[in-house]
Amino acid sequence: SQTIHQWPATLVQPVGSPLSLECTVEGTSNPNLYWYRQAAGRGLQLLFYSVGIGQISSEVPQNLSASRPQDRQFILSSKKLLLSDSGFYLCAWSVGGPGANVLTFGAGSRLTVL
Amino acid sequence: SQQGEEDPQALSIQEGENATMNCSYKTSINNLQWYRQNSGRGLVHLILIRSNEREKHSGRLRVTLDTSKKSSSLLITASRAADTASYFCATDDNYGGSQGNLIFGKGTKLSVKP
Repeated sequence: SQTIHQWPATLVQPVGSPLSLECTVEGTSNPNLYWYRQAAGRGLQLLFYSVGIGQISSEVPQNLSASRPQDRQFILSSKKLLLSDSGFYLCAWSVGGPGANVLTFGAGSRLTVL
Repeated sequence: SQQGEEDPQALSIQEGENATMNCSYKTSINNLQWYRQNSGRGLVHLILIRSNEREKHSGRLRVTLDTSKKSSSLLITASRAADTASYFCATDDNYGGSQGNLIFGKGTKLSVKP
C-alpha cells in the first residue's frame, strides 16, 4: 500500500534562517507531488506541484522553492525565512497522468518563524 | 482561479443530529471532492462526485451536486463526536489533461457535542 511521510512535524526557526521540509512517498511510481500551505483558520494554498523528476511548477511567487531530486521525494526549501512563512505545510501525492486528482496528504509540518 | 467556498464557516450540533455543509464554486468543473481535516493533521479524502452525477453516498455521507447552481452539499447523518473536524470542498477544472490542480475552499469547522 502507498504511504506518505513528511518531516519534521514541527519546526521553530528564526527569521532569516534556511528551511528544508522533506516528503517521501512509498508504494507508487511517478506520482504527482504537491506542497500546500495552510495559514491559521484558512484554506489550503497550492505552492508547488511536480509531475516528474526535476519538473517543478510554482503557483505562488515567494521566497520558497521546491525540488524533486528523486521520483518519490519532494523537498520544500527557503534560503531566508520570513515571518509570513509561518504556517502548516502539507505535502500530498496523487496518481500521475490524466484523470481525477484524488490527493493523499501527509501529516503536515508546522513551521513557526520567530 | 476558481475556488470552492464552504458555508457555514462553523457549525455546532449535538451528537445524533445531521450536519449539512455547502460549497459553491465559480466555473465549470469535471469533479468535486470533499476532504476532512482533524485539528493539526493532514486532510483525508472523503468522497468524489463527477460533474455528470447528482448524488453520491458513502456510509453516513451524502453528497449532492448541482452544476446549474455551481454548488454542492455534504450531509453527515447521525453525527458522532468523532466527526468533529474541518471539512473542505475542492474543485478540479481539468478537462482530461494531465494536470488539474485542486483548489480548496476555506472549510467548515464542525463541532459535534456529545
